[in-house]
Amino acid sequence: EVQLVESGGGLVQPGRSLRLSCAASGFTFDDYAMHWVRQAPGKGLEWVSGVSWSGGDMGYADSVKGRFTISRENAKNSLYLQMNSLRVEDTALYYCARVKTVVVTHDAFDIWGQGTMVTVSS
Amino acid sequence: QSALTQPASVSGSPGQSITISCTGISNDVDHYNYVSWYQQHPGKAPKLMIYDIYNRPSGVSNRFSGSKSGNTASLTISGLQAEDEALYYCSSYTTARTQGFGGGTKVTVL
Repeated sequence: EVQLVESGGGLVQPGRSLRLSCAASGFTFDDYAMHWVRQAPGKGLEWVSGVSWSGGDMGYADSVKGRFTISRENAKNSLYLQMNSLRVEDTALYYCARVKTVVVTHDAFDIWGQGTMVTVSS
Repeated sequence: QSALTQPASVSGSPGQSITISCTGISNDVDHYNYVSWYQQHPGKAPKLMIYDIYNRPSGVSNRFSGSKSGNTASLTISGLQAEDEALYYCSSYTTARTQGFGGGTKVTVL
């Protein structure tokens, strides 16, 4: 079964850091670009960041650029999001998502995890 | 970044057809054919319903169809059913090499 499972969320104070992980299974992980999408409570979807299948090409939303870093470890079928200098407005459910087409970096997201909640509050 | 505009809500009776619009700007919907649509039920992860403007993934009902004209993409749900009640989001790739989402449209089946 194709599956993505996020972990690493929690309650953190403003200015602190958190690292999210996404474990992939059921498909050849290193064939696909991967992305993070977040959803603040009661709000819509917001693309956060994406990384190419090789890890060599990364992109970020303006709202997180310079604070968040996406990475992947293909040998471990894992995707990560290092979040530094967290702000209250980063509070959201963070989903990892797989693109639909092998090799392509930006594409529709056909597989989503269930998300991990990040709460930034003092 | 992309700022895609969707109506906040659309409603229809069972069996009817409804259409959700998604209006972009020159750097997204109008520029690319990479428009996708997602369905999200409460407490659930989004589900891909349409990709590349009008293509349906395997397993998605043919009651769902997509189109695009200029800078506006549309999702049409035909033969509306109770299970279609959900939030729907459009998304587009942008010239800034980012992915934008619309604000979401709540579909209500009357």
